[in-house]
Amino acid sequence: GQQLNQSPQSMFIQEGEDVSMNCTSSSIFNTWLWYKQEPGEGPVLLIALYKAGELTSNGRLTAQFGITRKDSFLNISASIPSDVGIYFCAGRNNDMRFGAGTRLTVKP
Amino acid sequence: GAVVSQHPSRVICKSGTSVKIECRSLDFQATTMFWYRQFPKQSLMLMATSNEGSKATYEQGVEKDKFLINHASLTLSTLTVTSAHPEDSSFYICSAKQALYEQYFGPGTRLTVT
Repeated sequence: GQQLNQSPQSMFIQEGEDVSMNCTSSSIFNTWLWYKQEPGEGPVLLIALYKAGELTSNGRLTAQFGITRKDSFLNISASIPSDVGIYFCAGRNNDMRFGAGTRLTVKP
Repeated sequence: GAVVSQHPSRVICKSGTSVKIECRSLDFQATTMFWYRQFPKQSLMLMATSNEGSKATYEQGVEKDKFLINHASLTLSTLTVTSAHPEDSSFYICSAKQALYEQYFGPGTRLTVT
């Protein structure tokens, strides 16, 4: 099925460090998206990727749509405390499926 | 970005009662709205997809008679949890989409059934 495997499950990093997380699937997706969710809130769209191989940045965030269309990664450079939250990848064809999330903790 | 609101943000109800949650797109017309459910420390699970003026399409395993969805206008969708039970306690999140644009999510509604 269209299950997404997101890793790592959680990360504990020091402020200023770079972060990398990824999502893989056994199925091909036409669109990959990355969201951030803070406690008690809905997800907020960070980056949307529409083309295999596409590399897109949004400030300190960079995401890539894998060439095989079965994976995507998200990098956060020079992390800051407000980067704390849960990051979800999502793959979309007709509907959207979410990964399990990566819980990021940033220590000042 | 586009703004989607949900009301209420939190609701506590007694077992056996029904609860209605509203989802509104505030600055755009949403041709499609989605309802998700999220358990603690878990991902979002799609419950149903609704297009304005049409019956909602429910995901496998979601009881349509228990989770009533109405998408009466291009800016409003409602989810009614009928005869709620403690196992229905969860975080319910809606999202709204306009044609070729991405989904925007609401802030969620925390439902607690006692």
